[in-house]
Amino acid sequence: ENVLTQSPGTLSLSPGERATLSCRTSQSVSNRLLTWYQQKPGQAPRVLIYGGSTRATGIPDRFSGGGSGTVFTLTISRLEPDDFAVYYCQQYGNPLTFGGGTKVEIK
Amino acid sequence: QVQLQESGPGLVKPSETLSLTCTVSGGSITNYDWSWIRQPPGKGLEWIGYFYGGGATKYNPSLRSRVTMSINTSENQLSLRLSSVTAADTAVYYCARLSMGYDDTGFYHFFEDWGQGTLVTVSS
Repeated sequence: ENVLTQSPGTLSLSPGERATLSCRTSQSVSNRLLTWYQQKPGQAPRVLIYGGSTRATGIPDRFSGGGSGTVFTLTISRLEPDDFAVYYCQQYGNPLTFGGGTKVEIK
Repeated sequence: QVQLQESGPGLVKPSETLSLTCTVSGGSITNYDWSWIRQPPGKGLEWIGYFYGGGATKYNPSLRSRVTMSINTSENQLSLRLSSVTAADTAVYYCARLSMGYDDTGFYHFFEDWGQGTLVTVSS
């Protein structure tokens, strides 16, 4: 099983700041198979980035994904109040697995 | 975009079978591929399995011996059965529509639409 480790566990930032979230995989993953989701309290996850770097429909361009091999990143260029949430990475494999999440909270 | 709504008992006794239904609106269930995903309270996400529109299934090896997914085409519903449940199966259970294929940049795979989730507690 490909284990995904997200860091940091919690990121405390202010609106307008840049957020960089990391997702490390225990086995190499094609960047085409790496997806990022956002989840707010009491809500289902929402896809942000798929194929490693493609923004899903309606996702603003302040969100960007990158990386390759075993290290992937989600960057939020300038945090908006609506961006404070938990973010999960996910890889398409057998089995499909998710990271443990990074909570982005208001500092 | 399709809409998904999970339903089922909120409380299941240990050793019994958890049964949930996901009702799909806005599209035919046989036109898409589906998954169940769960999330224990305060924890991360765990993929349970796929039900492909053609009828094939694929389950997480960690749950394979206890999971069954099926569809009811007349009701446009996806079902999940998880047998011999324990407290570790307490979670919010989500159904999700899978978007998978090829575009200009290559293969893609992600969960595009999600239900709101339903909390199932395993307790006597």
